[in-house]
Order: sequence, then structure tokens, then C-alpha cells
Amino acid sequence: QVQLQESGPGLVKPSETLSLTCSVSGGPMIYYWSWVRQSPGKRLEYIGYVHHTGDADYNPSLKSRVTISLDTSKRQFSLNLSFVTAADTAVYYCARLYDTNAQGHDWFDLWGQGILVTVSS
Amino acid sequence: DIQMTQSPSSMSASLGDRVTITCRASQSISRWLAWYQQKPGKAPKILIYDASTLESGVPSRFSGSGSGTDFTLTISNLQPEDFATYYCLQANSYPRTFGQGTKVDIK
Repeated sequence: QVQLQESGPGLVKPSETLSLTCSVSGGPMIYYWSWVRQSPGKRLEYIGYVHHTGDADYNPSLKSRVTISLDTSKRQFSLNLSFVTAADTAVYYCARLYDTNAQGHDWFDLWGQGILVTVSS
Repeated sequence: DIQMTQSPSSMSASLGDRVTITCRASQSISRWLAWYQQKPGKAPKILIYDASTLESGVPSRFSGSGSGTDFTLTISNLQPEDFATYYCLQANSYPRTFGQGTKVDIK
């Protein structure tokens, strides 16, 4: 059974870089791996994805500040979000993207439990 | 970006009720829509993908329909464990975007 688990600091200072890691247990690493966040009382927001081929995509709203990387040997993928502000306070989820018909219309089928990151001095 | 709008934003319902939640896309997304259930403090859980395909293990009282811009999630015979917030997700293009959520609580 595939499980995802986020880890990282729960408090980040404004203007610094938020860094999170998602550990994947079980299953192959050939999927697209993603980050999604949810600010308090707000809707879910797609951050970006990474694939073992090196393919990556980022939400244009965050693209200038985001990097997502994958280390298949460690079975981990990571999120770096730079120059954070209070608006980046959210629960951050790592998730797997899955597509039954290989047409690129994938959805988030497995999720980590989420980690709350607060941006505050 | 494709905008996803759900209605209603919240609703109250009783056990055994039939509940309908709608999701509208700002442009056609064919059948590339998924529905999620989220309970407080938990990650979203996939219920339906490709507009109407039930994820394995999800009770058959959940069903989805629609194509193009208008979609519906129906919960028949509402059960205690169904009180939660429901989100739609468009899987047509990137960036992926979610609806604002529909909270279903007890009447």
C-alpha cells in the first residue's frame, strides 16, 4: 500500500524559504508527484508537479518562487517556496497524480496527511 | 486558468436525504472532472474521476454526472459519515484548479 508523508518545519520567517519533503513508501516512483496547499478557510491550490523523467510544472501564480525536485533513490520529493509571506501560511499536502487512460487528464489519487506551515516572525 | 464554481457553498441535510452539489467550469473540460470529500483535519479523498467513474471502495450512494461545463455530485441516502466538505477538481488542463468547496452539515 502506497503512503505519503510530509515533513519539514512548521514555522518559517517572512522572506525566507519554505522547504518540505514528501516520503513515499511502497509502490513505484514512476508517477507524477505533486504539491497542493490549503490556506485557512480557502480552497485547495495546486502548486506543481515533478516526474522521474525530469518533467516539471508549476502553477503560474507561484512559478517564480517554486522548485519541486525528486530523488527516486531516497523515495522522496521536495518543495521549495522562496520569499514567503503570511499569505503562504497553509496546510501543505503532497499527492500522487494518477491517470487511468494515459491521456494527461490525471487527478490526485493519493495524499499525505498534510503539514501546517505558518509564516511568521 | 479554468475557474471552477460550486454551488451551494454550504447546505444542511438530514440522514437519508438525497444531496446534489453542482460544479461549473469557466470553459469546457469535457469529462475531465473529479470529486473529493474532505473531513476536518484530514486530506481530501477521491470519490469520483472522469466525471462519473466511482473510485474503488467508494460507496455506490455516491454518483457523478455531467460533461462540458456543468457537473453534478449526488449522494443518495445520506449517511452520518458523509457530513463533510466536497470539492470538484478540473483535470482538463494545467494549472489544475479546484472549486471553493461545499460543506454538508447536519440539519
